[in-house]
Amino acid sequence: RKEVEQDPGPFNVPEGATVAFNCTYSNSASQSFFWYRQDCRKEPKLLMSVYSSGNEDGRFTAQLNRASQYISLLIRDSKLSDSATYLCVVAHSGAGSYQLTFGKGTKLSVIP
Amino acid sequence: DTGVSQDPRHKITKRGQNVTFRCDPISEHNRLYWYRQTLGQGPEFLTYFQNEAQLEKSRLLSDRFSAERPKGSFSTLEIQRTEQGDSAMYLCASSGGRGSTGELFFGEGSRLTVL
Repeated sequence: RKEVEQDPGPFNVPEGATVAFNCTYSNSASQSFFWYRQDCRKEPKLLMSVYSSGNEDGRFTAQLNRASQYISLLIRDSKLSDSATYLCVVAHSGAGSYQLTFGKGTKLSVIP
Repeated sequence: DTGVSQDPRHKITKRGQNVTFRCDPISEHNRLYWYRQTLGQGPEFLTYFQNEAQLEKSRLLSDRFSAERPKGSFSTLEIQRTEQGDSAMYLCASSGGRGSTGELFFGEGSRLTVL
């Protein structure tokens, strides 16, 4: 089983739609969770951290279920500018190190 | 500080040649990471430094790959005897420092093409 698994998509949705991405992780000792966004031919950038209680940032809502080792990202009222690849990221630390593992990413295309 | 910078941005080389990439992290960051990314894949972890100490290396990092971070500032990633399978985007990221949330700040990457 891969460490971080995501549906690669692509998800093609019309403007204004709500879309949800899911991610599962295999390391139960993982401590921190993030969603990164990567535009075509650009570097990944942090979209939002994911907290145990769930958190919201404008149109974006992230959820974490530690028992099921599952993370989600919900985007409401999709904009054309949301078109990108969304990377699920899981972090764990040990022996003084701190490592982040990325999923393959889920590609989103928002269509006019 | 303008963020993480990487050099060169693009490198085309012939199979068997050696290449070296440089990364200058954000100055107050003590952690530095190298990742490799190929088309349709997420970034794959290669190695990690905390200050000048290389704390983790992925099994992806064969003995042809070596990374250094002298004095805990910039880092270099060298690939010896390049193979076509080494063609990828090599991403450097840094994090740490006062108030760090663990967020990685990536450079724009060094794209390697091995002919």
